[in-house]
Amino acid sequence: EVQLLESGGGLGQPGGSLRLSCAASGFTFSSYAMAWVRQAPGKGLEWVSAVTASDGSTYYTDSVKGRFTISRDNSKNTLYLQMNSLRADDTAVYYCAKRLGVLTGWNFDSWGQGTLVTVSS
Amino acid sequence: QSVLTQPPSVSAAPGQKVTISCSGSSSNIGNNYVSWYQQLPGTAPKLLIYDNNKRPSGIPGRFSGSKSGTSATLSIAGLQTGDEADYYCGTWDSSLSAGVVFGGGTKLTVL
Repeated sequence: EVQLLESGGGLGQPGGSLRLSCAASGFTFSSYAMAWVRQAPGKGLEWVSAVTASDGSTYYTDSVKGRFTISRDNSKNTLYLQMNSLRADDTAVYYCAKRLGVLTGWNFDSWGQGTLVTVSS
Repeated sequence: QSVLTQPPSVSAAPGQKVTISCSGSSSNIGNNYVSWYQQLPGTAPKLLIYDNNKRPSGIPGRFSGSKSGTSATLSIAGLQTGDEADYYCGTWDSSLSAGVVFGGGTKLTVL
């Protein structure tokens, strides 16, 4: 059974940093692209970032470029999101998501339970 | 403002059929696969439809998807009260800011 367990959320200061982790199990982590998707309180889904499996290419939504860094450690089956220069509008539940497969579209077939990030002074 | 446009809400009675539209452009829906997600209150999203019209294992046949040009549609037949949820479409956008894009979400109310 695929399991994705996020951690690292909490209260962050404006301009500060947080690092989210997503521990994966139940599948061959190194073979799948992974992503972070966030949801602000009462709002819709917003894709944040993704990293491929094959060559580790990374992608970011415009609002986090230069501030957030996605990475993966295949030896630890863990996905990370380093969040710097935090802003109030980064406040959201952050989900870790697994891409269904490389020969399909960007479909996310497994999601974590989410970790809440609150940016406030 | 989401890149993909969905109606904010739809409603129908139990047993009826409802459709949810998702409108985009040639840089996203027009040239990429579409997926649909169901999000029940307080839970993580769940994949309902992938690659425009395929259902993951365990998803009932009542849920179906289609795509035409730069629009996609999710259809839910035989509505049940348990289908009350938010529904999101998603796809890859191949524009300069390449990445995944989602619709704004549609709240389904089963009357």
